[in-house]
Amino acid sequence: GDSVTQMEGPVTLSEEACLTINCTYTATGYPSLFWYVQYPGEGLQLLLKATKADDKGSNKGFEATYRKETTSFHLEKGSVQVSDSAVYFCALSEGAGANSKLTFGKGITLSVRP
Amino acid sequence: EAGVAQSPRYKIIEKRQSVAFWCNPISGHATLYWYQQILGQGPKLLIQFQNNGVVDDSQLPKDRFSAERLKGVDSTLKIQPAKLEDSAVYLCASSSSGARKNNEQFFGPGTRLTVL
Repeated sequence: GDSVTQMEGPVTLSEEACLTINCTYTATGYPSLFWYVQYPGEGLQLLLKATKADDKGSNKGFEATYRKETTSFHLEKGSVQVSDSAVYFCALSEGAGANSKLTFGKGITLSVRP
Repeated sequence: EAGVAQSPRYKIIEKRQSVAFWCNPISGHATLYWYQQILGQGPKLLIQFQNNGVVDDSQLPKDRFSAERLKGVDSTLKIQPAKLEDSAVYLCASSSSGARKNNEQFFGPGTRLTVL
């Protein structure tokens, strides 16, 4: 079955440091890939997505590129801020419309110190 | 536009008791999902509805969990009787239907259940 593997956490960085969070996946078909973020006390929010190979998703300074050859979707940001402190989940979805469902990784907690 | 609403936000019960959670999706969203998020893990799909019909409930422990969406709008998830391992955050999400691939799912704030 489909699965998503995220690097082990937590991750603690100083403000303005570079961030890379690794994510690899296993899927039978051609999934869409997502990064969700969960800020303290809030629900999950879609951060970015990519629907086909070589697509790059980007939002709020974060980027991730769909790499089919390495089955990866690593999340990157050049300069993190304290406000980026949150839990980040990598996820995939196969199927269309009502038949699509998300498979999540375990999530990783990012803490950014001033 | 109002987001996905869930209640209660927190619930503490003793094992073997029953509990129910409520979800109101975004207006017009035909697809509704319930996820279970155990501490330290990613959300796991329990059940998916399309309007008032069940699309996928393969991961729902049917001996103790039940869910309904009778009018195709809001939904309730029930646990009876609860076990210690049911302690988790229960997330509701909704998405619009249609042929477009992988419509975005919008999540509610979740209900944090603690079973003592």
